Amino acid sequence: EPEVTQTPSHQVTQMGQEVILRCVPISNHLYFYWYRQILGQKVEFLVSFYNNEISEKSEIFDDQFSVERPDGSNFTLKIRSTKLEDSAMYFCASKRDLTGELFFGEGSRLTVL
Amino acid sequence: KNQVEQSPQSLIILEGKNCTLQCNYTVSPFSNLRWYKQDTGRGPVSLTIMTFSENTKSNGRYTATLDADTKQSSLHITASQLSDSASYICVVTRTGGGNKLTFGTGTQLKVEL
Repeated sequence: EPEVTQTPSHQVTQMGQEVILRCVPISNHLYFYWYRQILGQKVEFLVSFYNNEISEKSEIFDDQFSVERPDGSNFTLKIRSTKLEDSAMYFCASKRDLTGELFFGEGSRLTVL
Repeated sequence: KNQVEQSPQSLIILEGKNCTLQCNYTVSPFSNLRWYKQDTGRGPVSLTIMTFSENTKSNGRYTATLDADTKQSSLHITASQLSDSASYICVVTRTGGGNKLTFGTGTQLKVEL
């Protein structure tokens, strides 16, 4: 069964360092998303991406964040200068069309020290 | 304000027992409501989707109900198993597509022997 895959599963970094989280969405999906979940809190929307551009972003998604789809399969989230409060589980998700089911990856746990 | 509230926040039941989780929402205009199961440290997995015209939908031992008039949904789990221990998240989508998903905070269910 097709699935969304994410790497790394866990990354530990020092505050101020750049981090890139990678995602491979399901191959025939067109809409891509990043969410984050701080430990013990609910899932929060970061950004949606369609047709090679950001379609919507939340207040959390400030200038430190960027997304990219460098080729036909990968979808990346970059945090330029990590802060302690960026520590969270980051989920990539994709869906085939606007009304379709949203499939989540297993998440990348980011720990900022 | 578009919100999704879930109750109880956490629940402990014995294996084999039934339980019902509640979701109240103020999201408007309503498109659909999904229940997700999220195992610890994993990505959410969709259990059911309810559209405006649907009142009840089952998926194995999971039965979801929706009352679009009162903006309430429930997830009933029958004959619980240890593997049902997880967080159950109610997610409501507004019409208009894109990202317009609102996540609940989840109900943490623990099934014990």
